[in-house]
Amino acid sequence: EVQLVESGGGLVQPGGSLRLSCAASGFTVSSNYMTWVRQGPGKGLEWVSVIYSSGSTYYADSVKGRFTISRDTSKKTVYLQMNSLRVEDMAVYYCARIGVSPDAFDIWGQGTMVTVSS
Amino acid sequence: DIQMTQSPSSLSASVGDRITITCRASRSISNYLNWYQQKPGKAPKLLIHATSSLQSGVPSRFSGSGSGTDFTLTISSLQPEDFATYYCQQSYSTPPWTFGQGTKVEIK
Repeated sequence: EVQLVESGGGLVQPGGSLRLSCAASGFTVSSNYMTWVRQGPGKGLEWVSVIYSSGSTYYADSVKGRFTISRDTSKKTVYLQMNSLRVEDMAVYYCARIGVSPDAFDIWGQGTMVTVSS
Repeated sequence: DIQMTQSPSSLSASVGDRITITCRASRSISNYLNWYQQKPGKAPKLLIHATSSLQSGVPSRFSGSGSGTDFTLTISSLQPEDFATYYCQQSYSTPPWTFGQGTKVEIK
């Protein structure tokens, strides 16, 4: 079965760090574009970051310089390292596969909650 | 970045109704428009890609149309399981991918 399972969310103080994981099954992460999307409490969807099959990475302006996306092909896992967290980063974080033309997000994980509070 | 604007922000409808949600892009995105459905506490689900292509397993009562800057999502006969929030997304000029603000479909 093709699926994504996120983990690593939790409570962190402002300025802290957290690493999210997204474990894939049923497909190869390195052959696909993989992305992170977040949703603040009661808010809409916001694209966060992408890693292309080539390994190139891109970020939303709101997280550039603070977040890093990476992947471990052997573990079939994509990561989002989040540093210097702010209250406004508090959200449910979803990973997704960009797997259908034109670059639509066809497989989503269940999401993991990141709470930033002192 | 391309801005996406949906209307209405919310609507109330009854089972069996035909409803239409509109999405407008700040500049032309050809047919690079996708629609997602999200139910409370759940991850979004891809409904339609490339403006009008139904994702596998999505009922045929869902349809999409448009091109350039103006797009629509139509549900021909609303079912109880369709009450949810719907988002449009452009994938023409990426990154970044940008979403509309969402349209919440509620039971009348």
